[in-house]
This record gives sequence, structure tokens and C-alpha cells, in this order.
Amino acid sequence: QSALTQPASVSGSPGQSITISCTGTSSDVGAYNFVSWYLQHPGKAPKLMIFDVSYRPSGVSNRFSGSKSGNTASLTISGLQAEDEADYYCCSYTTSSTWVFGGGTKLTVL
Amino acid sequence: QITLKESGPTLVKPTQTLTLTCTFSGFSLSTSGVGVGWIRQPPGKALEWLALIYWNDDKRYSPSLKNRLTITKDTSKNQVVLTMTNLDPVDTATYYCAHRPRGWYYFDCWGQGTLVTVSS
Repeated sequence: QSALTQPASVSGSPGQSITISCTGTSSDVGAYNFVSWYLQHPGKAPKLMIFDVSYRPSGVSNRFSGSKSGNTASLTISGLQAEDEADYYCCSYTTSSTWVFGGGTKLTVL
Repeated sequence: QITLKESGPTLVKPTQTLTLTCTFSGFSLSTSGVGVGWIRQPPGKALEWLALIYWNDDKRYSPSLKNRLTITKDTSKNQVVLTMTNLDPVDTATYYCAHRPRGWYYFDCWGQGTLVTVSS
């Protein structure tokens, strides 16, 4: 299985919205609604931000939202804040009953 | 509150075998549906899923690494062990274990990670 495809970097100014895409195949992203997103600050463990494409765990800001169309999932962050600057990874369950992560996207808040 | 912590050697020589232990609390691996997975991250690179073990001892491995990985659990000790054989410098990474909640397909709690360097 190949890693899911994410843009290497995205950027936005405080208050703006950005979207990070995550493209897979019909064997992973397109197969189930089991896409999750993780935020990772430098030197820290990943933190779950979105699960099952569009659901937020308790405590995660509603500025974070997720969606999916076909083999591509997306994470949108609205009202960008300085603290959102981090690396973001998508992850999908696959038809082989395994998981696959994306290549990661570095978000820069200008 | 769920916590996980990875432990193991920080330096391993090429061709050697790596054994990492994940010690957890706040849940039981005898609870139906629960799983514990391993994910690694080479310095400056992306996360890579490695393996997962379920409460019923079902095991899943990354297709690209399955010949080198073994995952086991000791329910009485609340531990999961990952073994990786024939290490290479490209296996240098921070290794994380993570909790897969019952019936779901994501990792909601992660350990702090342990950096393993493969070098002679």
C-alpha cells in the first residue's frame, strides 16, 4: 500500500481558512468512511483531530472540520490561529484491514 | 484516563533485532474490540503505520514490513511488544504505540514515542 498523498505545505494568515487534501484509492480513502486526521507539533506525539471523515473528538475546536469525496478526504481549518501551525497527517483504514498514513502537510500561519 | 509509554533500546546495530515494549493503563486489552498499534516516524519524515494487535490476538501488519515484524501482547502486564528483525539505518525513527478504541478505526491516544537509532 502506498502512502496517501497530501500537499507538502500550506499556509494562511490568521483568521483565514485553509484546506488540506488527502488523496488515496478505492482501497483506502474511497472504501470506507474511516479517515482520521492528526495534528503534530514539533517533538510531540500526534493528536487526533478528526475521525470517521468528519467527527471531532471531545475538546477539539469546531474550527476543524473534515469531508470526503470519492478517494479524496479534506481537512478544513477556519479562523486560523498561530497555535494551529503544525504538521497534519491523514490516515485511512484499508480493505486489507490495515492502516495507511499520508505524507504529512506542514501548515504555516503567516 | 488512558496512557501509553514506549520503552526499549535507543541504539541498535545494523542487522540486529529490535524489541520495543508498550506499557499502558486506563484500558484492558481483554476488552472486546480494543487494539494497540505501532506507528513510527523517521526524523523529519512522515508517520508510518506498522502493526496492530486486537483483544482477541488477531494481528495486522504493514504489507511492506510484515516479514520483519512480530507483535504480541501480555494482557496480565498491560503490555504490547513489537519485534523488528534485521534492522537497517533507514529504520531509525521515533516509534509510537497508540490505542485503537473498541469498534473504531482511529488512534485516540498515543504514547510519547521512543527514538531508536540504528548505527554501527
